[in-house]
Amino acid sequence: KQEVTQIPAALSVPEGENLVLNCSFTDSAIYNLQWFRQDPGKGLTSLLLIQSSQREQTSGRLNASLDKSSGRSTLYIAASQPGDSATYLCAARYDYKLSFGAGTTVTVRA
Amino acid sequence: DAGVTQSPTHLIKTRGQHVTLRCSPISGHKSVSWYQQVLGQGPQFIFQYYEKEERGRGNFPDRFSARQFPNYSSELNVNALLLGDSALYLCASTEGNEAFFGQGTRLTVV
Repeated sequence: KQEVTQIPAALSVPEGENLVLNCSFTDSAIYNLQWFRQDPGKGLTSLLLIQSSQREQTSGRLNASLDKSSGRSTLYIAASQPGDSATYLCAARYDYKLSFGAGTTVTVRA
Repeated sequence: DAGVTQSPTHLIKTRGQHVTLRCSPISGHKSVSWYQQVLGQGPQFIFQYYEKEERGRGNFPDRFSARQFPNYSSELNVNALLLGDSALYLCASTEGNEAFFGQGTRLTVV
């Protein structure tokens, strides 16, 4: 079964602190792993895509790592800002479909 | 370029009714997928279409159906609505195994 888990479900940090969001998947036969941001009641915004052959991907303050052998991916957000408050979802691609975690809801306190 | 567009953005239906949701992919994308996101959970895969052919179906009842048109837009149909069908329905178009999502349709069944 292709399950994706995100821990913790929620976290609150003061502005300026670095964020570390975890994602684990049970089936390592992924095509890629994608991180998304979701604001309340809205759709998903793609943040980073890591191909199965890559170890990490970076975009601005965001860095995502992938370890297929251990079934883990981590999203790092440097120097968090109140505007980073949102739910972050990871999704593992298995052929034609994405399997999502339930997300980590982040609150950055000013 | 326009992103993935979905219509309507919100709608309210009564139990037992039928609903049709619409999606237009990013120009040039030939693959469209549908996901259901219940409050507090990650999106669940419903269908994927590529070049008007169904490539994959998730664990949803036969009340759910979809199709893709020659211009690659897509419709998701749900018959005999249940209260449990209340959710955010997300459409994604895919290019190179990277998924891009629309803003979703919020369906409320009363």
